[in-house]
Amino acid sequence: EIVLTQSPVTLSLSPGERATLSCRANERISSSYLAWYQQKPGQAPRLLIYGASSRATGIPDRFSGSGSGTDFTLTISRLEPEDFVVYYCQQYGSSSWTFGQGTKVEIK
Amino acid sequence: EVQLVESGGGLGQPGGSLRLSCTASGFTFSTYSMNWVRQAPGKGLEWVSYISSSSSDLYYADSVKGRFTISRDNAKNSLYLQMNGLRDEDTAVYYCARDLRYCSGGTCFYYNFGMDVWGQGTTVTVSS
Repeated sequence: EIVLTQSPVTLSLSPGERATLSCRANERISSSYLAWYQQKPGQAPRLLIYGASSRATGIPDRFSGSGSGTDFTLTISRLEPEDFVVYYCQQYGSSSWTFGQGTKVEIK
Repeated sequence: EVQLVESGGGLGQPGGSLRLSCTASGFTFSTYSMNWVRQAPGKGLEWVSYISSSSSDLYYADSVKGRFTISRDNAKNSLYLQMNGLRDEDTAVYYCARDLRYCSGGTCFYYNFGMDVWGQGTTVTVSS
């Protein structure tokens, strides 16, 4: 079973700063199978990135994804006030999906 | 507008049953694979089940296998989750989500992986 570990659990930054969120898998996965989501309080998740680096429709270009193998990164180039929420990575494998435990980006 | 609306949540007894529904609008439902994802109170996301556009492929998380059944009615633009043998740990908000994988004109496009449209969720509480 593939396990995704996100770090840090909480990231404290100021608006305008750059955020770097990590997602590490316990075994190699295809980049095609890696996605990132944003979830605001009381709302459903929103797809940000699929295929490790492709932005979903309507996602601002301050969000970018990168990585391969076992290490993947979500970067928010300049944090806007609405970006201080929770982010999840997700991978597909063996006909099932697994999510990381999430990273909360909070205002410093 | 592309939209998914879940219904059917509520209070269920341990060992009991509930049936969730998800109604789609604004897109050709019959061509897309669909998923159920849940989120326990204060916890992260957990994938529950997947169904392909033609219902030929059904997959379940180990935590619900043998107890939950996913199905769809393309004529009614609807997705379902029959939940039997409810347990306390099934308490969660249940979301239906459209998969990026779809089939069109007899060809399936399984190149992109992710869930791009989500409903607002329906709450299931299992308690005696």
